[in-house]
Amino acid sequence: SAVISQKPSRDICQRGTSLTIQCQVDSQVTMMFWYRQQPGQSLTLIATANQGSEATYESGFVIDKFPISRPNLTFSTLTVSNMSPEDSSIYLCSVEATKTTDTQYFGPGTRLTVL
Amino acid sequence: GQQVMQIPQYQHVQEGEDFTTYCNSSTTLSNIQWYKQRPGGHPVFLIQLVKSGEVKKQKRLTFQFGEAKKNSSLHITATQTTDVGTYFCAGFANFGNEKLTFGTGTRLTIIP
Repeated sequence: SAVISQKPSRDICQRGTSLTIQCQVDSQVTMMFWYRQQPGQSLTLIATANQGSEATYESGFVIDKFPISRPNLTFSTLTVSNMSPEDSSIYLCSVEATKTTDTQYFGPGTRLTVL
Repeated sequence: GQQVMQIPQYQHVQEGEDFTTYCNSSTTLSNIQWYKQRPGGHPVFLIQLVKSGEVKKQKRLTFQFGEAKKNSSLHITATQTTDVGTYFCAGFANFGNEKLTFGTGTRLTIIP
């Protein structure tokens, strides 16, 4: 199984600032995903990040607010821009378990609090 | 868009009692997956069901996929304190949408 790490694990930020979250995988993967999980809620897909192409954003999420980079097959970043308290959430990256299944492994998450 | 609902939202059981969570999708699913998220943790994959009417077991956990591939259930026999967490179903719509949609989740707490 893939081992996924995220940095930072948690942060407290002031409104109006930006935070970049890093996701590192110990093996090469084609597809990486970024989710948001608000307190006590389910997971909502923000975007799919494929290496070598622009990220694909889900309805309600835009590139200006959540720019994503995918420079290689083991790394991705998600930036939460111009933050407001409504952005306080856990942000999770995930990868496909294998090329033949569509199950996912999740990173430990980044707990973001915006004051 | 595709919606996946789970009931109940919360369940409190005495240790040793059984527990069941139900998952219902607004659209037919190509497969159904189940994940467990411990308090303060991240979702961990449990199992995937693909075939209509499929039943799979993992020790005390029994998973079912409905005949119409629109619903699923997870049943835990004789719950233990280690079963505490939130259980999510998740699925891909059958029309080729590659987005994995998570259910609303059922949070299980165990009374020792």
